[in-house]
Amino acid sequence: AQSVAQPEDQVNVAEGNPLTVKCTYSVSGNPYLFWYVQYPNRGLQFLLKYITGDNLVKGSYGFEAEFNKSQTSFHLKKPSALVSDSALYFCAVRQGYGGATNKLIFGTGTLLAVQP
Amino acid sequence: DTGVSQNPRHKITKRGQNVTFRCDPISEHNRLYWYRQTLGQGPEFLTYFQNEAQLEKSRLLSDRFSAERPKGSFSTLEIQRTEQGDSAMYLCASSLAPDSPLHFGNGTRLTVT
Repeated sequence: AQSVAQPEDQVNVAEGNPLTVKCTYSVSGNPYLFWYVQYPNRGLQFLLKYITGDNLVKGSYGFEAEFNKSQTSFHLKKPSALVSDSALYFCAVRQGYGGATNKLIFGTGTLLAVQP
Repeated sequence: DTGVSQNPRHKITKRGQNVTFRCDPISEHNRLYWYRQTLGQGPEFLTYFQNEAQLEKSRLLSDRFSAERPKGSFSTLEIQRTEQGDSAMYLCASSLAPDSPLHFGNGTRLTVT
């Protein structure tokens, strides 16, 4: 069965410092991996995805994520955090090409708090 | 791209009543998803349509829940005989292809009193 783990409920970082939000996954076959961000009372907004190819993917608002197959991880990173990055971040996984299911499974979310 | 539209934004209902939510996906997207999100949790998959065909349903979707996408465009999610445990944000999303990101609407927040 597919699953996603986000081990940190909250990550606190000072503005200007680098940030990392952790994600590990479990899925049969090759994964499609996604990061989304959610602001209060809003739907989720897509940040970036890994489908195939280069393990380091770049996305919106200066975010990037590194796919590590051996560690089954897809951590979200940003070199320099902004106060406006404060939000709820979700990692998600689905089975890749040829998979038996179309479900996209989400983690429980990590609240990122960037202090000025 | 006008985005995914969900109506209503908020719904308050009494236990035992039926409610129906509507989702209008991005027009060229043939894939449509419904999710439920409760406070402090990630979105939980409910059901998936490809065009008008409902191809996957979660075990979370009890007999009281039904979803339709009659012409492969908009979709409705109906909850019959609502219970307090149904209180949640109901999210709709659409996409174009298996490796495409899901585009989410702003959700319908249901409160069952």
